Amino acid sequence: QKEVEQNSGPLSVPEGAIASLNCTYSDRGSQSFFWYRQYSGKSPELIMSIYSNGDKEDGRFTAQLNKASQYVSLLIRDSQPSDSATYLCAVKTLDYKLSFGAGTTVTVRA
Amino acid sequence: DTEVTQTPKHLVMGMTNKKSLKCEQHMGHRAMYWYKQKAKKPPELMFVYSYEKLSINESVPSRFSPECPNSSLLNLHLHALQPEDSALYLCASSQEWRLQKETQYFGPGTRLLVL
Repeated sequence: QKEVEQNSGPLSVPEGAIASLNCTYSDRGSQSFFWYRQYSGKSPELIMSIYSNGDKEDGRFTAQLNKASQYVSLLIRDSQPSDSATYLCAVKTLDYKLSFGAGTTVTVRA
Repeated sequence: DTEVTQTPKHLVMGMTNKKSLKCEQHMGHRAMYWYKQKAKKPPELMFVYSYEKLSINESVPSRFSPECPNSSLLNLHLHALQPEDSALYLCASSQEWRLQKETQYFGPGTRLLVL
């Protein structure tokens, strides 16, 4: 079983819609969770970090964490063409390494 | 300021060449990382330096040799690489290494092509 799994893409949403990205992790002791955005040919850019159960909002982005279900999600509200990118879920494992999911590619249709 | 810089942006080298990648941060971070990323794959950890000491080597071939001259600089020396080593090489830094709630910030990467 992979340490971090993301819902398979690609995900195509119309402009203005909500994009929903999901991520599950296997290490029950993990405490830190991150979402990175990566544009094609560029490096990963941190969007959100979340450490506690519940929701965390930052602008149009909302991260949700449920440690009991070992589940992290990212919602992008009012999606814009500039949101088109690959989104990487990353979980810090108990040995302090950052374990990445395979990524979900999002395309926002104008 | 969460800027990590990397040079060069692009590098083409032959299998017999020796080259170096450079990474710099001025955020006072004490942990620095090298990752390798192949196309359409997530980043893979190569090395971790904490307080200028090598803490993690993820069984990377010896043709990759990291060096941390000081707390702001991280180098990756390349020698006798293979075409399959062509990838985006990412440097990252964080305040500390062995803390859970630490965010890693990535540099822009060096795109390496080995001919």
